[in-house]
Amino acid sequence: EIVLTQSPDFQSVTPKGKVTITCRASQSIGRSLHWYQQKPHQSPKLLIKDTSQTISGVPSRFTGSGSGTDFTLTISSLESDDAATYYCQQSRSLPLTFGGGTKVEIK
Amino acid sequence: QVQLVQSGSEVKKPGSSVKVSCEASGGTFSRYSITWVRQAPGQGLAWMGRIIPMFDVVNYAQKFRDRVTFTADTPTNIAYMELRNLTSEDTAVYFCARDRSDDTFDIWGQGTLVTVSS
Repeated sequence: EIVLTQSPDFQSVTPKGKVTITCRASQSIGRSLHWYQQKPHQSPKLLIKDTSQTISGVPSRFTGSGSGTDFTLTISSLESDDAATYYCQQSRSLPLTFGGGTKVEIK
Repeated sequence: QVQLVQSGSEVKKPGSSVKVSCEASGGTFSRYSITWVRQAPGQGLAWMGRIIPMFDVVNYAQKFRDRVTFTADTPTNIAYMELRNLTSEDTAVYFCARDRSDDTFDIWGQGTLVTVSS
């Protein structure tokens, strides 16, 4: 099983600040890494697929990068609506797995 | 646009079973897989497995393999997740999601809270 380790677990950032979340895979997964946003009491929402492909309708302040075992989700200018928990997910091999999540708070 | 609509909250006794449904309204899911994800209170997302209705193929995560069954009724576009021999540790929100061919989950149900309590 591929284990995804996210860091940090929690991040508190002022509005317009930059958020960087990392996701490390226990083995190489190429670019088969995706990011989700989950707001309290809501279902997760797909933000980015295949490392860097932003889903239609997702603001351009969300970007992804990386390959192999190390990946990053960046929010370039944090807005109040971005308060949420962010999860990475790999689709390289079964079982599909998620990272543990990173909670982003607006300071 | 397809929406996934799940059945309502359940309260179950330890040792019993629960069956959660996931209906694709406004479309069909026969071309896609349906994945099931669990989220315990205050915890992260855990992939339980998936079903490919068109081929009636299932893949289960090891953790749930012995206690879970996924089924799908393609004429009605409803998928089901049955979890047996429930314990308090199964108290969680269960989500279904459309699992695209690249194994990303682009449409999610609203979640079903299952509470296991004596």
